[in-house]
Amino acid sequence: NAGVTQTPKFRILKIGQSMTLQCTQDMNHNYMYWYRQDPGMGLKLIYYSVGAGITDKGEVPNGYNVSRSTTEDFPLRLELAAPSQTSVYFCASSYSTDSNYGYTFGSGTRLTVV
Amino acid sequence: LAKTTQPVSMDSYEGQEVNITCSHNNIATNDYITWYQQFPSQGPRFIIQGYKTKVTNEVASLFIPADRKSSTLSLPRVSLSDTAVYYCLVGESGGSYIPTFGRGTSLIVHP
Repeated sequence: NAGVTQTPKFRILKIGQSMTLQCTQDMNHNYMYWYRQDPGMGLKLIYYSVGAGITDKGEVPNGYNVSRSTTEDFPLRLELAAPSQTSVYFCASSYSTDSNYGYTFGSGTRLTVV
Repeated sequence: LAKTTQPVSMDSYEGQEVNITCSHNNIATNDYITWYQQFPSQGPRFIIQGYKTKVTNEVASLFIPADRKSSTLSLPRVSLSDTAVYYCLVGESGGSYIPTFGRGTSLIVHP
């Protein structure tokens, strides 16, 4: 029972480079989320998806893009990486947006932009 | 969404009971209270949820007074492995609810 799997776990990018953070869940959850967490801070929502083909912006979407072609996968794309995007990125999924249901998080991707 | 307020940090010692209180003065009738735990270098994980009175599971207890304007997460006899950040979330049942995580409460358990 893998839950939510994120790859890679660590990555160093140079300014201006691009990359895709991968997120896969095997729980058949419709809802998936991307958060970023800066040191000593809470999690900020970047993008979320309520099902395949449907995505929406969260609190801090600038500099990122997402797609949701399947229920299982929700990749996060960084274009033209900037030092301000140095952070830990967490992917999460849930059965619904009803707060009765818990949210399952991946173990995170630690990204450094130099 | 109901705004929550919780202490930034707490310290405790092994074997003690720890109580972390969260204020949510504008909680709505349909809102549930959920607590998450985050260990260093890991994503948050769900630990307990409640609507009113008391809820207990194998990890923690959650106390919610009748006015529901606050809630208290209780961790019995903490150990070093309970050192983590604890987040209090308030969200609507049956609604379109996207969880937002503030800074949480950083609990440090000392030997």
